[in-house]
Amino acid sequence: QKEVEQDPGPLSVPEGAIVSLNCTYSNSAFQYFMWYRQYSRKGPELLMYTYSSGNKEDGRFTAQVDKSSKYISLFIRDSQPSDSATYLCAMSEYFTDKLIFGTGTRLQVFP
Amino acid sequence: DAGVTQSPTHLIKTRGQQVTLRCSPKSGHDTVSWYQQALGQGPQFIFQYYEEEERQRGNFPDRFSGHQFPNYSSELNVNALLLGDSALYLCASSLSDWNTGELFFGEGSRLTVL
Repeated sequence: QKEVEQDPGPLSVPEGAIVSLNCTYSNSAFQYFMWYRQYSRKGPELLMYTYSSGNKEDGRFTAQVDKSSKYISLFIRDSQPSDSATYLCAMSEYFTDKLIFGTGTRLQVFP
Repeated sequence: DAGVTQSPTHLIKTRGQQVTLRCSPKSGHDTVSWYQQALGQGPQFIFQYYEEEERQRGNFPDRFSGHQFPNYSSELNVNALLLGDSALYLCASSLSDWNTGELFFGEGSRLTVL
C-alpha cells in the first residue's frame, strides 16, 4: 500500500463546475499538506499549503485537511479551461523537505 | 528574480552510461532537493543537500549521487544507467528554515535511456 493514494483520473468537467480532488494517506506523522499543479512538460507549482487540520481558502481554491480520517481535499470553484492540468497532493512530516506525493489527478475543463 | 533553473532540459543516453544534471536554486535559497518523476507518477524524493552535505536520502541506490557547491547550486549524477531511469528529474529549492511550504520546483530535465 502506498503512503499516499490519489485517483489518477482523468476527471473531465464543464467550465464553471466545482471540482473536488482528494487524497488519502496512511502515515499519521504527516503534518504539512500541499497541493501542486503541474502543466504538461512543466515542473510542479505550489497552489495551497496547510499545516495540520482545517480549511484554507485562496481565491477559487479551498484546501481541507481531516487528520482524523487521513483525508485531504482540494476544491476548485468556477473551474476554467486554464485549470486543465495534473493536480498533485503532497505531504511531509514536521520540518522536512522530503515530500511524499500522490500519483496526481489529471483534470480537463472543457468550454 | 530567476526561479529554479535546470540543465539540460532533455537528454538521451544509452544503458550503462553516466549522466550529470545541474540545478541553480531560486535566489536566496540554500537547500536543494532532487526528485524523480516517472511518466504518469508523482515525484519521488531522491535526496536533499544543505551546506554542501547530503541531509536526507530517499529509497534510491548508490548509483544516484549528488553534490552541492558553495553557491548552493547542485548536481545529480546517475551511474550505470538503466532503462528504468528514464524519467523527469526535478530540482526543488527552499530555505533551510522551511516551515511555510515554499518549495519551488524547476522545469526538470527529461532523461531518456535507450
